[in-house]
Amino acid sequence: GAGVSQSPSNKVTEKGKDVELRCDPISGHTALYWYRQSLGQGLEFLIYFQGNSAPDKSGLPSDRFSAERTGGSVSTLTIQRTQQEDSAVYLCASSTQGSGSPLHFGNGTRLTVT
Amino acid sequence: QKEVEQDPGPLSVPEGAIVSLNCTYSNSAFQYFMWYRQYSRKGPELLMYTYSSGNKEDGRFTAQVDKSSKYISLFIRDSQPSDSATYLCAMKGNQAGTALIFGKGTTLSVSS
Repeated sequence: GAGVSQSPSNKVTEKGKDVELRCDPISGHTALYWYRQSLGQGLEFLIYFQGNSAPDKSGLPSDRFSAERTGGSVSTLTIQRTQQEDSAVYLCASSTQGSGSPLHFGNGTRLTVT
Repeated sequence: QKEVEQDPGPLSVPEGAIVSLNCTYSNSAFQYFMWYRQYSRKGPELLMYTYSSGNKEDGRFTAQVDKSSKYISLFIRDSQPSDSATYLCAMKGNQAGTALIFGKGTTLSVSS
């Protein structure tokens, strides 16, 4: 596809379970970003990948959150032992390498922790 | 003070009105300024992109950046019901890979 693809689009999980969210960036985009969007909170930066490495993990809210990217393409965001406060829309974006390159977003995964 | 401030609204206008949306920021290192539009249950889509100060026009949309005042604006002329969405300002510095910092978004409703 031409755009950023995220799956699943919706995920309902029980508190304490682990979840994996997947992002397939635009082909050729070397930079990949994860953001979290909560009601009334705007977009919160989580982590940035350049290729397979993550030079900036500063936004991950706790050690329950981790992310990886393999082959410079697909990325997975994992949340362990989910809590109700993790409920949000998780957005992935990709861009080309340039410093001013705009981000192109997927439609997000809506996570609900019950 | 948050890095980027944006009035969340909601803002309601009649069709055909001129809409003004704006953001203020505190980090003088910001050089790239963007506006994203987000429809319900969709991801943000890039609407306007500006480097440093100045104006940029694209159809009914005009983006303005005033770095001396740390203030950016988006104007929508002849607003349409299809413009009803949340508008997010975003900005970043020059260093490659730095995160794009977003405002909280302004919700706009254009009535026919």
